[in-house]
Amino acid sequence: DAGVIQSPRHEVTEMGQEVTLRCKPISGHDYLFWYRQTMMRGLELLIYFNNNVPIDDSGMPEDRFSAKMPNASFSTLKIQPSEPRDSAVYFCASSFSSHVTDSNYGYTFGSGTRLTVV
Amino acid sequence: GQQVMQIPQYQHVQEGEDFTTYCNSSTTLSNIQWYKQRPGGHPVFLIQLVKSGEVKKQKRLTFQFGEAKKNSSLHITATQTTDVGTYFCAGKRGAGSYQLTFGKGTKLSVIP
Repeated sequence: DAGVIQSPRHEVTEMGQEVTLRCKPISGHDYLFWYRQTMMRGLELLIYFNNNVPIDDSGMPEDRFSAKMPNASFSTLKIQPSEPRDSAVYFCASSFSSHVTDSNYGYTFGSGTRLTVV
Repeated sequence: GQQVMQIPQYQHVQEGEDFTTYCNSSTTLSNIQWYKQRPGGHPVFLIQLVKSGEVKKQKRLTFQFGEAKKNSSLHITATQTTDVGTYFCAGKRGAGSYQLTFGKGTKLSVIP
C-alpha cells in the first residue's frame, strides 16, 4: 500500500481565495482524521470520519472550514475564504477500528500539505 | 477538555547520552500512543500502550504507561544522531475512543 496520500504537498494562496486539500486514506481503514499543526498550537484535531460519516467536527475552527468524505477512498478539507492565520501544515491520517487496542497499530499519517496564505 | 502535557519541550543531548520525555494527562486514558516526527516530516507511529503499568521495549526505546493510566514516558538509551526529531505522546480517553489528543511534543537534538 502507498500509505495515506495527500495533495498538494505545498499550497500558496492569497487571502480570500478558496483552498481545497485532498486525502486518500489507506484502503480498508475505516477512520479518517484531519489534523492541523502549527508551532504555537501543536497538532490539533479538526474533524474525523468513521465509515465516511463525520463523527466529531468540534475542532473545526470556523464556518470557513468544511470537510467531506464522499467515499471510503477520498476526503477533502476546504477553507473558504482563506486567511493568513490558516497558514499551517494540514495532516490527514487514517486507522482501522479493529486495531484500537493493538500495541502495534496506530494512526498512519500522510506527508501533509503545507499551506501558506499571503 | 482533555489535556496532554509533555515535558521537556526541548532536549539537547550529546550522542551516547540517554534521553527521557514525560507525558501527563489531566484525565485517565484508555490507551496512549507515541509518535516520532523527523524535521520536515510527518508523525510516524512508534507504539501503543494499553495496560496499566505496561512497559514495552523497542531496541533502545523503552515505553512505560503509569499505574493510574494518567502518565507515560519514553526513554532512549545511548542516543544516536538518527534519533533526532520530535517525540509526541497522544492519549485516547474512552475504551472505544478513536480520537487522539496529542501533547506538544519534545524536540530532541543530538550533538555528535
